[in-house]
Order: sequence, then structure tokens, then C-alpha cells
Amino acid sequence: AQSVTQLDSHVSVSEGTPVLLRCNYSSSYSPSLFWYVQHPNKGLQLLLKYTSAATLVKGINGFEAEFKKSETSFHLTKPSAHMSDAAEYFCVVSIYTGFQKLVFGTGTRLLVSP
Amino acid sequence: NAGVTQTPKFRVLKTGQSMTLLCAQDMNHEYMYWYRQDPGMGLRLIHYSVGEGTTAKGEVPDGYNVSRLKKQNFLLGLESAAPSQTSVYFCASSGVTGGIGNQPQHFGDGTRLSIL
Repeated sequence: AQSVTQLDSHVSVSEGTPVLLRCNYSSSYSPSLFWYVQHPNKGLQLLLKYTSAATLVKGINGFEAEFKKSETSFHLTKPSAHMSDAAEYFCVVSIYTGFQKLVFGTGTRLLVSP
Repeated sequence: NAGVTQTPKFRVLKTGQSMTLLCAQDMNHEYMYWYRQDPGMGLRLIHYSVGEGTTAKGEVPDGYNVSRLKKQNFLLGLESAAPSQTSVYFCASSGVTGGIGNQPQHFGDGTRLSIL
């Protein structure tokens, strides 16, 4: 069965410091993986996706993620946090079983202090 | 550049009332989805559609019905609203080019629904 575990429900950083949001997945197949961001009262916006090409994936707003098959991880990083990065982040695994099923993690809330 | 548009954005209903949530996408996507988001539970799939005129059940379909009469629209209906259906509802769509599993889903801004 496919599943996603986001290891931290909340992460707090100071503006200008690095961001690390951790995600582990379980999948019987070679997975497609996504990170989405959700700002308050907004829908989910795609940050980046991994689809078995390069293991280091660059996304929007300076975020990137590295796919590590041996560790079944897909952690999201950013070198320097900005106040506007404060939001909820979802790690998602995509599987195709006649339709595209997305399995969501429970989310990590990123708090950025001045 | 609308993408996925949901109406209404907010609604308060009384138990037993009915209503329909509308989702419209302008990206010519084949696939459309309805999710609900509850605190601490991520998003759960209610129903989905793989094309005009088709619908199928997701993880939590009970109490909801859907229709996709036009490719660009996907309607979610609550026939008899219950307090347990208080949630934020998201519509999403995705294309098929390059592999269905590889395509990201594009989300609307959500409908916040309260059932009293």
C-alpha cells in the first residue's frame, strides 16, 4: 500500500535560515511525488514534482527536493526562508490505478519569524 | 488565467438542506476530482471523473453525488446535509499528457461549508 509520512507537524525557523521539511513515502511501484503548498484560505499550489528523472528536483520560490530511493525519502529544502514561505506544506505520492490517486501526508505547518 | 474556479466560496447550511458546489476548469483537462479537507487529515477523495459523462467513487463518497455533464464542469451535491459534512471542499483537475500519474493536479481555492 502507498502511504506518506510527514515527520513534523510544525517547523519553526527564522527568516533567512534554511528550511527542511521531511517526508518519507511507502510505495510498491516507482512513485511520482509532489510537494504542494497551501496558504491560508487558499487552494493547494504545486511546488515541485519528481517523476523518475533527476533525483534533485527544483521547484518554484527557491524550493528543491531530493528523491532518495534507499531512504524512501523526499525532503523539501530551501536555503533561506522568507516570511512569505509561512504556510502548510503537503507531501503527496501519486499512483495510477485506473485513475490518478493522490495520497496526501497530513501536512507540515511552517512558521517563519522575523 | 482562471485555472480551477469553485463557487460558492463560503456557505452555511442547516441540517437536512441540500446544495450543489460548482467547479469549473478552463485547461481542457480530462480528469476532475472532489476532495474534502479536515484538520489533521490531509485531503480525502470524495468522487472523481475521468471524462465527460463519467463519475466514480473515491475514498469517502457517502452522502455526496456528482455529475459531469460538460467537460469543463464538475458538480458536487449534498442531498441532505449533516454536521459531519462540515469541511473545506476542494476541486482539482489534471491532464493526461505525459502519463496520468505524472501530471500534477491543479486545485481551486476551496469552498468552506458549515452545517449547523
